[in-house]
Amino acid sequence: SQQGEEDPQALSIQEGENATMNCSYKTSINNLQWYRQNSGRGLVHLILIRSNEREKHSGRLRVTLDTSKKSSSLLITASRAADTASYFCATDAGSNFGNEKLTFGTGTRLTIIP
Amino acid sequence: DAGVIQSPRHEVTEMGQEVTLRCKPISGHNSLFWYRQTMMRGLELLIYFNNNVPIDDSGMPEDRFSAKMPNASFSTLKIQPSEPRDSAVYFCASSLALTNRDTQYFGPGTRLTVL
Repeated sequence: SQQGEEDPQALSIQEGENATMNCSYKTSINNLQWYRQNSGRGLVHLILIRSNEREKHSGRLRVTLDTSKKSSSLLITASRAADTASYFCATDAGSNFGNEKLTFGTGTRLTIIP
Repeated sequence: DAGVIQSPRHEVTEMGQEVTLRCKPISGHNSLFWYRQTMMRGLELLIYFNNNVPIDDSGMPEDRFSAKMPNASFSTLKIQPSEPRDSAVYFCASSLALTNRDTQYFGPGTRLTVL
């Protein structure tokens, strides 16, 4: 089963609005990452947040992490048509240093309406 | 930087045929990952290598699947014999893997269709 589950599965908003996607996971982690996938392309890393961090910003992206609830959210502010893509959270196994294995969630399909 | 290179980009084959997918990781990266993506199952990790050594192949679905990494710049994923349910997009990714906080860089994928 997927370690991460994104919510909602699909989201459509008007250009300029903010988009919020959520991710829940099941086991302890060392860090959580968000990736974007444009249609027909590979995944692209967006941002990483460590288990001891609660919030992180990168440009128009804001990520929060609540380890007590085993959940994370990705906020995209002032959305643009180019933000149309699928967004995935990915968690490590929470194991010892050096374990590179990631488990990806099911993804949120974001559509920005011009 | 050319990024992760995968070939072919598209493959159409008939059931029972052997399929070989190829990947060239980013130069200097020492971890390589093979994923499969389908609508039904999402993105699944099949196998990953560190310094050319397979570390975790628990995601390889059956003995029909095999992967090799003969050197730091090349890996193959082979399916023999192929079946229609193997139809998916197969991604290769690489990372520096100095810590477990490293970003994975994905290739463009190979879209496999088994008829």
